Amino acid sequence: AQSVAQPEDQVNVAEGNPLTVKCTYSVSGNPYLFWYVQYPNRGLQFLLKYITGDNLVKGSYGFEAEFNKSQTSFHLKKPSALVSDSALYFCAVRDLGYIFGTGTRLKVLA
Amino acid sequence: NAGVTQTPKFRVLKTGQSMTLLCAQDMNHEYMYWYRQDPGMGLRLIHYSVGEGTTAKGEVPDGYNVSRLKKQNFLLGLESAAPSQTSVYFCASQASYNEQFFGPGTRLTVL
Repeated sequence: AQSVAQPEDQVNVAEGNPLTVKCTYSVSGNPYLFWYVQYPNRGLQFLLKYITGDNLVKGSYGFEAEFNKSQTSFHLKKPSALVSDSALYFCAVRDLGYIFGTGTRLKVLA
Repeated sequence: NAGVTQTPKFRVLKTGQSMTLLCAQDMNHEYMYWYRQDPGMGLRLIHYSVGEGTTAKGEVPDGYNVSRLKKQNFLLGLESAAPSQTSVYFCASQASYNEQFFGPGTRLTVL
């Protein structure tokens, strides 16, 4: 069965510092991987996806993610965090619909 | 272009009552999905549809039914609500192997 894991419930980072939100996956075949962000009382917003091609994927709002096949990881990164990046982040892999991780709450401290 | 809309935004039911959640999309997407979001569990797929007139079960379908009579609409029904169905429900639509677009959610409380 396909699955994704987000090992950190919460990540705290100071504004201006780089941030990483971790995701590992387990799939049969080639993975279709996604990152979404959820702000309070809102739906999920698409950030970026990996289907094939370059291992470094660039997305919305300055976010990027690195696909690592040998480590089965798809970590979300941003070079310089903003307070407005504080939100709940979900990693997902395509299956019938998506299979989501449990989410990581990012808190950027001013 | 409204994207994906959900009706209602909030609802409180008593155990045993029934209700229907409506999802509408104006992007002409073939695929539509219903998820539920519970604390600490991420989103879980309830039912999905790959086109008008088709529906299929997802990960947690028990207690729910769906219909897709029109391409733009995907209805989620609860025939006899239970407290375990207290959750936030999200609808999403998708074109082929692209990203999914999510609605704003419906917060349902079953007493």
